[in-house]
Order: sequence, then structure tokens, then C-alpha cells
Amino acid sequence: DGGITQSPKYLFRKEGQNVTLSCEQNLNHDAMYWYRQDPGQGLRLIYYSQIVNDFQKGDIAEGYSVSREKKESFPLTVTSAQKNPTAFYLCASSNPGQGEGEQFFGPGTRLTVL
Amino acid sequence: GENVEQHPSTLSVQEGDSAVIKCTYSDSASNYFPWYKQELGKRPQLIIDIRSNVGEKKDQRIAVTLNKTAKHFSLHITETQPEDSAVYFCAASIGNSGYALNFGKGTSLLVTP
Repeated sequence: DGGITQSPKYLFRKEGQNVTLSCEQNLNHDAMYWYRQDPGQGLRLIYYSQIVNDFQKGDIAEGYSVSREKKESFPLTVTSAQKNPTAFYLCASSNPGQGEGEQFFGPGTRLTVL
Repeated sequence: GENVEQHPSTLSVQEGDSAVIKCTYSDSASNYFPWYKQELGKRPQLIIDIRSNVGEKKDQRIAVTLNKTAKHFSLHITETQPEDSAVYFCAASIGNSGYALNFGKGTSLLVTP
């Protein structure tokens, strides 16, 4: 299914704890993205990275952090500063340098903060 | 950030009828407009996209139109089938970000037999 994986599928954490969501792709895509999906809200961009060691904030970056040390990996950390972290998180990748706009999505991680 | 407005939020049609979903965007630098379909419990998948130098694109029963002057674009599904039932999202590229996207809030389409 597109060669992009996310783990785990479900994640439970206590309030106040940081948690890291994994995203890996074997598509050799340059760009990777993190979105948050809430019911009735569509997909909202958290962070994106167009190249290794570089990333930009999306509309709702507060309380989140990312790293892009390798082309195939783009982990997202949900920090205790994120006020409402319970949501469905989707990672995606694309190859804009080849003129290909299509983003391929991972299966998502559902995070529940108790 | 720049917004993408999508209407309607829910749409119910009978099998065989057409369905139209409309979106408007505000970022004048947007140049790429994809549509994604998300079935229940699954990841979004691209169904069609259009670039700003094209006014219309068609792929079998699906078509997209773009009016760059008015900053709106629409998805048209003809001869709808029950398997078309899903949530559809429009999106617009964020300036020159390299195809990072702003998404609409989605339209839940139900096709009844």
C-alpha cells in the first residue's frame, strides 16, 4: 500500500507525557508530511519536510516537534505542551522534485491521551 | 494559514445520479489542486488532481474543473455507484512549498441503491 508505514496503529499515553510517532517510507520520496485528522475537521498540516535536515511548520505546529535525519524517516513527537493531543495522525510522502504532486498516506496512528 | 472551504459537508444521492462537491481557496499562489477519497477506516487516496494551467480534467466518471480567477474548483462524479460512498477531501497547494497541502473539511457522500 504505497510503501509508507506508521507505527503503532493505536497508542495510549498519560497526560503530561511526550510520545513519538513513527513514519517510514521506502518510496525514495524527498518530501514528507504530518497531518492531524479530527472528526469534521479534515486534515490539518502539522509539519512538513522537503529535504533531509530541513522542515517547516504547518498551521498547527504548536506542541509538536519533528526531525528529518534520514530521507526515509520523519518521526513526530507530541509533547506535553500540546493541549488536545488525542487525534488520528497521518503521515504522507511525495516526490515534488519529479513534478509529482500526489501524496501517499500511511495507515495512521490513533493517539489517545488519558 | 490560508483556507480551503468545502461544500456541502454531507451529500446523499441515488445510485446513477451525479454528485458535485465545491471548494474555494484563498492562497493566490496555489497551483496544484488534488481530490482525495477516504473510505471508513482507511487512508486517503488520490482520485484526481488538476494544475493551475488546466481548466478541466476528466478520468472516466470523475471530472474536476478549476476557475483560477474565482479561486474555486469542483469535483463531479457521474453515474454514482454505492462504492463511491466515502468522505471526499479537496486540497490546494501551499504557495511554493513543494506541494504541501491545505485540505478542506471533507464531504461525506452517501450513494443509496
